[in-house]
Amino acid sequence: DGGITQSPKYLFRKEGQNVTLSCEQNLNHDAMYWYRQDPGQGLRLIYYSQIVNDFQKGDIAEGYSVSREKKESFPLTVTSAQKNPTAFYLCASSTTGAGNTIYFGEGSWLTVV
Amino acid sequence: AQRVTQPEKLLSVFKGAPVELKCNYSYSGSPELFWYVQYSRQRLQLLLRHISRESIKGFTADLNKGETSFHLKKPFAQEEDSAMYYCARVIKAAGNKLTFGGGTRVLVKP
Repeated sequence: DGGITQSPKYLFRKEGQNVTLSCEQNLNHDAMYWYRQDPGQGLRLIYYSQIVNDFQKGDIAEGYSVSREKKESFPLTVTSAQKNPTAFYLCASSTTGAGNTIYFGEGSWLTVV
Repeated sequence: AQRVTQPEKLLSVFKGAPVELKCNYSYSGSPELFWYVQYSRQRLQLLLRHISRESIKGFTADLNKGETSFHLKKPFAQEEDSAMYYCARVIKAAGNKLTFGGGTRVLVKP
């Protein structure tokens, strides 16, 4: 348990506002990921980063942005362009070696009203 | 599109009965496959992966390349097995991305 910290755990925002979700890890992992979890759809990859100052779009990147200025941190911004932002967001990290295990944070609930 | 499919959204079994969660993947090659579990009020965590060929909490999963399946099995389900289970695969050539199935909720009744 521990190692990846997401904050805040619950967040309410008005429609049209950008919001940034924090993700910090102290596992010395090179790779970090953001997933969105919706009922019946499993986890869908938003963005991922395999090294500092580099990141790639996942399957549902539209309306989201990320940065990776530090190895430990991978914040996700949910912009006003995201049409259905209300969801549960999961951050994860892993090594980049063979057989890498991905470790998850506890998640952040975002509700847009 | 490369997919991971879990056809059952919900599996309800009685304690002591066998349980099998189905997982199929679409990819020609040798992906790495995993099962993740999410217990109530806990974070998503790795249950097992095919390269380890291990049994965790009584669960096993065998990779069948011919059928492109990685079904999860346990011969005698326990109430504490009630959770959400996700099958996932990573393809190294695709940047180590982990792709998940839609998940199966397992409910073990007393």
